[in-house]
Amino acid sequence: GIQVEQSPPDLILQEGANSTLRCNFSDSVNNLQWFHQNPWGQLINLFYIPSGTKQNGRLSATTVATERYSLLYISSSQTTDSGVYFCAGAYSGAGSYQLTFGKGTKLSVIP
Amino acid sequence: AAGVIQSPRHLIKEKRETATLKCYPIPRHDTVYWYQQGPGQDPQFLISFYEKMQSDKGSIPDRFSAQQFSDYHSELNMSSLELGDSALYFCASSLGGLAGGTQYFGPGTRLTVL
Repeated sequence: GIQVEQSPPDLILQEGANSTLRCNFSDSVNNLQWFHQNPWGQLINLFYIPSGTKQNGRLSATTVATERYSLLYISSSQTTDSGVYFCAGAYSGAGSYQLTFGKGTKLSVIP
Repeated sequence: AAGVIQSPRHLIKEKRETATLKCYPIPRHDTVYWYQQGPGQDPQFLISFYEKMQSDKGSIPDRFSAQQFSDYHSELNMSSLELGDSALYFCASSLGGLAGGTQYFGPGTRLTVL
């Protein structure tokens, strides 16, 4: 199966700062999703982005499928952005859409 | 908008007991996935169903079984529970079966095995 690597593993930001999280994947994917896991454990779907660029408020994401990476941008960070951000990919060529998750980036936004 | 529903949200069991987790996918979604997330870990795929048939199997122990019913809800049955089964169990659903698509995750069931 595919391997998913995320960086950085930990990130501490001052409220209002911007950040970029990176996700590298080892093989072609046709499903790439970003999630935010809040302190209560809920996995919130941020983007479905196997290629291209999408924006949703202060968040945006870009996937360059040919180079096998995706970036998540967080602008004007708020304390409520704290939590773990996961990138997950799937490749249907193996007949499966099971998502393989990266280890996550733990984000702490301090006032 | 309707989301994936999981029940119960919290479950406490003793070692060697059994547990049943339920998942109700988003209406009209035809595919259900189960994932297990241990403490401090990333979610790991267990099993999936498309149109009530098992479509894929991951690292699911033989002590676990699952099925999808005619109304598309799914149940994960866990027997001979071990301490290491303590985890957050997520169900996700999608529309599009073998064509993939966004997987929407439920709130999870937190299982604690004592």
